[in-house]
Amino acid sequence: DIQMTQSPSSLSASVGDRVTITCRASQGISNSLAWYQQKPGKAPKLLLYAASRLESGVPSRFSGSGSGTDYTLTISSLQPEDFATYYCQQYYSTPSYTFGQGTKLEIK
Amino acid sequence: QVQLVQSGAEVKKPGSSVKVSCKASGGTFSSYAISWVRQAPGQGLEWMGGIIPIFGTANYAQKFQGRVTITADESTSTAYMELSSLRSEDTAVYYCACMITFGGVIVKDWFDPWGQGTLVTVSS
Repeated sequence: DIQMTQSPSSLSASVGDRVTITCRASQGISNSLAWYQQKPGKAPKLLLYAASRLESGVPSRFSGSGSGTDYTLTISSLQPEDFATYYCQQYYSTPSYTFGQGTKLEIK
Repeated sequence: QVQLVQSGAEVKKPGSSVKVSCKASGGTFSSYAISWVRQAPGQGLEWMGGIIPIFGTANYAQKFQGRVTITADESTSTAYMELSSLRSEDTAVYYCACMITFGGVIVKDWFDPWGQGTLVTVSS
């Protein structure tokens, strides 16, 4: 299985900050990467797919980039509703899908 | 837009089985694949397996092979996940999630939308 490693595991930031979360795959995944946001007690919500394509309805302050094994999720200006846990997911090795361990974004 | 509604919370004894349902509405069931993802308390997301209902064949993560069975009933637009030989470590929220297919092939390998989740508690 392809292993996905996110960093950091947790992050404290303030409203208005720019934050970046990294996801590294154990082998190249050719941009076959999605990002999700999960709030406590709720199901995950799709933010981006194909590493950089924004899901309809997701604010443009969210962006994704990367290639090969290394990918990033950037939030350009944190809003209060963005404090949540973020997960990456690879879909290169279908149908064996794997997630990163998550990054908890907290208010500083 | 499809919506997924799951069955309610369950409390089970160790060694027993649990069957969770996931009913799709607002879309064409034959256009979707359904996966099951679980999340233990305070932990991350773990893909368990999935099914393309028009074919009826399921794929499973190696970790759950032999213990999980995923099925689908096209007549009711409902998918099911049955986990057997339950142990305390299976206590988790179980989610179903949708993937888009075309001609029986998954063309969007990301999960959207998700069901609301079903808490399964395994306790003696």
